[in-house]
Amino acid sequence: QSVLTQPPSASGTPGQRVTISCSGSSSNIGRNTVNWHQQLPGTAPKLLIYNDFHRPSGVPDRFSGSKSGTSASLAISGLQSEDEADYYCSAWDDSLNGYVFGTGSKVTVL
Amino acid sequence: EGQLVESGGGLVQPGGSLRLSCAASGLTFSSYWMHWVRQAPGKGLVWVSHINSDGRSTNYADSVKGRFTISRDNTKNTLYLQMHSLRAEDTAVYYCARGVTFDPWGQGTLVTVSS
Repeated sequence: QSVLTQPPSASGTPGQRVTISCSGSSSNIGRNTVNWHQQLPGTAPKLLIYNDFHRPSGVPDRFSGSKSGTSASLAISGLQSEDEADYYCSAWDDSLNGYVFGTGSKVTVL
Repeated sequence: EGQLVESGGGLVQPGGSLRLSCAASGLTFSSYWMHWVRQAPGKGLVWVSHINSDGRSTNYADSVKGRFTISRDNTKNTLYLQMHSLRAEDTAVYYCARGVTFDPWGQGTLVTVSS
């Protein structure tokens, strides 16, 4: 049961900036930090952004995260072909007493 | 570089049981919360369960509560998911992941529930 809503898809040409939103509520994003995960085709997910806007070692600075109120966003600047993947947000939900993932967004590089 | 490796998936009949394992190597295991997350074919990620570092605290998604049990053996650096009363809708790739940031993820193991 996804309680974090993302747009199903986003696209751009190489070099463009693409933004993906993640809409939640006061019980999840509004009170807890957000992580973003990248899933390349046919592979396992990988942590992309943690604690709202921090990048793990090795993640290019083209990827950035932000949060405001009960929504979060992932931005990819300087879009590259290897960025074609599914992207998921996640957060702890105080009401469900568990983690929730977003519905997922497929990024296509035109 | 450390990794998590899942095993134990396979084909099981409805109502059957299966135990998944997640072995950690080259990374710190015993001091982290651990999770199971699943992904049905062509669908998104769904959190299943997590367990705290000493194994005394667990949480489950409503869809698996009472049927699945998460546990860990810190002496073996291994996480487990015991699954009972399996249903067709439990068919998915099951991933383990470490810590509150879900880093790293394992490669996943496929569970297929079908007669």
